[in-house]
Amino acid sequence: DAKTTQPPSMDCAEGRAANLPCNHSTISGNEYVYWYRQIHSQGPQYIIHGLKNNETNEMASLIITEDRKSSTLILPHATLRDTAVYYCIVRGTGANSKLTFGKGITLSVRP
Amino acid sequence: EAGVVQSPRYKIIEKKQPVAFWCNPISGHNTLYWYLQNLGQGPELLIRYENEEAVDDSQLPKDRFSAERLKGVDSTLKIQPAELGDSAVYLCASSLEGSSYEQYFGPGTRLTVT
Repeated sequence: DAKTTQPPSMDCAEGRAANLPCNHSTISGNEYVYWYRQIHSQGPQYIIHGLKNNETNEMASLIITEDRKSSTLILPHATLRDTAVYYCIVRGTGANSKLTFGKGITLSVRP
Repeated sequence: EAGVVQSPRYKIIEKKQPVAFWCNPISGHNTLYWYLQNLGQGPELLIRYENEEAVDDSQLPKDRFSAERLKGVDSTLKIQPAELGDSAVYLCASSLEGSSYEQYFGPGTRLTVT
């Protein structure tokens, strides 16, 4: 599975949009981009995933560039409860594909 | 719907002692995972079960770690003997199938080896 690169940390103000970047320049055609987050003292939580089209659900939006070499997770109205480590993961298809977590990006939402 | 249940939540043991962690996945989930998470790092897969079969245990240190999922439901991860470097959080996750896009994680067991 391709590797991802994320900045170590970022912050944003409560109520504003949080835009979390991720680079995955070696992604291959059948690999998906996944985002999970981990709130302190909890297990990771699935947020969203996509192949090449932009995706939106009740938690976030995922914007994938046309060349698929990078993506952005958008939390449209960040709250204090969104403070967490966010992991961008590239994962292939099939039962043998793994979730390979990096260090993620620590998002701090300030009041 | 109940989530993935793990126990204990915290465990402190002396080195060379044995320790066991228990996980009960979400009902109906055929695939169960054990992950290890060191401080400041992302989780790393130790073993994956499809029903009662361990289909990927390539990252499990088999000299001291063992796992079982006897009836294809709950699972136990054991370390014997524990070493100082085993201090970490041990996470259990489950999914409907191995190819499912969403894995559901438990809260983890924080192990401290002194």
